[in-house]
Amino acid sequence: EVWLLESGGGLLQPGGSLRLSCAASGFSFSSYAMTWVRQAPGKGLEWVSTISGSGVYTYFADSVKGRFTISSDRSENTVYLQMNSLRAEDTAVYYCAKESGVAAFDAWGQGTLVTVSS
Amino acid sequence: QSALTQPASVSGSPGQSITISCTGTSSDVGGYNSVSWYQQHPGKAPKLIIFDVSNRPSGVSNRFSGSKSGNTASLTISGLQAEDEADYYCNSYTSTSARVFGGGTKLTVL
Repeated sequence: EVWLLESGGGLLQPGGSLRLSCAASGFSFSSYAMTWVRQAPGKGLEWVSTISGSGVYTYFADSVKGRFTISSDRSENTVYLQMNSLRAEDTAVYYCAKESGVAAFDAWGQGTLVTVSS
Repeated sequence: QSALTQPASVSGSPGQSITISCTGTSSDVGGYNSVSWYQQHPGKAPKLIIFDVSNRPSGVSNRFSGSKSGNTASLTISGLQAEDEADYYCNSYTSTSARVFGGGTKLTVL
């Protein structure tokens, strides 16, 4: 069974930094791209970033480009989202998702809440 | 990376069919068959119900079906049931290798 477990969320001030982790199990981690999706309170889903299974290719939404980085540790089956220069509008539940095929997110974690507020 | 356009809400009675549209451009929905649909109940993580325009993952009811014409994808739910009441989101691959979601549609089962 596929499991994805996010951690690292919390409350922080604007301009701060945070690193989210997503521990994966139940599948061949290096064979699948992994994606972060966020959902602001009461709002819809927003794609944030994707990393290829090899870890070589990374993609970012315009809203986070230059502030967020994504990486993976294939020895630990973990994907990370480093978030810098955080803004109030980054407040959201952040989900990690396994991407089967292209842009089909077939497994999701339970999400971790990031709150950016002064 | 503009969000795909979905109706904010749709409704139907039990047993009826409804269709949710998802409109993009030739750089996303119209250009690729990598369109997927997600169901999200309140307080829960999204669930994949359609991938590659019209394919259902194992375990998803055949009451859910997907299609695409030009720059618009559609999700049809037939034989509406109370448990189908949820938010639904489309997603597409794009020409810049980004992914983009629709704004979401709230389905109310009357």
